[in-house]
Amino acid sequence: QKEVEQNSGPLSVPEGAIASLNCTYSDRGSQSFFWYRQYSGKSPELIMSIYSNGDKEDGRFTAQLNKASQYVSLLIRDSQPSDSATYLCAVTGGYNKLIFGAGTRLAVHP
Amino acid sequence: DVKVTQSSRYLVKRTGEKVFLECVQDMDHENMFWYRQDPGLGLRLIYFSYDVKMKEKGDIPEGYSVSREKKERFSLILESASTNQTSMYLCASRGGNNQPQHFGDGTRLSIL
Repeated sequence: QKEVEQNSGPLSVPEGAIASLNCTYSDRGSQSFFWYRQYSGKSPELIMSIYSNGDKEDGRFTAQLNKASQYVSLLIRDSQPSDSATYLCAVTGGYNKLIFGAGTRLAVHP
Repeated sequence: DVKVTQSSRYLVKRTGEKVFLECVQDMDHENMFWYRQDPGLGLRLIYFSYDVKMKEKGDIPEGYSVSREKKERFSLILESASTNQTSMYLCASRGGNNQPQHFGDGTRLSIL
């Protein structure tokens, strides 16, 4: 059974701090990795994609991938209360499916 | 931008009814998916389809069926709705193997 593990949280950070969200996966063959943000009552929206080892930056977001250790992380710099949401990690799982983690709930407090 | 459109945001049905949830995507994606999401349980895959008229069971297919007669449309059918099928239902589509999934806005279904 291919798995994606995330700490459920809540991860509580003060406004302006860096939020660090982590994800581990079991399938060494996974090639593509995604982070989604989901506000309460809404559907998941894609915020980052990463395909190769290292860092990928997009605005306040940085995705980090380490295939040897089978983990992917998301850093949010200068966290804002509007970043409060559940963050889902997803990795390719064969049969053109993505395997989703259960999500980490982030709370940014003023 | 990819657009995935679910026919209803909110739906209320009665137990025993046959319920149809419709999903349409505009990006010519081969792959389409139906999930349900319940508090504390994350996304659970019900069915998916990788081509017209092709379907595969996901993790929780019991009580559901699907139809994909056209590439852009993927329908989820609750054959005889029950109260434990009250949930948020999410449709998604995906192109090639390295592409992300794109979700519709979701349908919040209540079975009374």
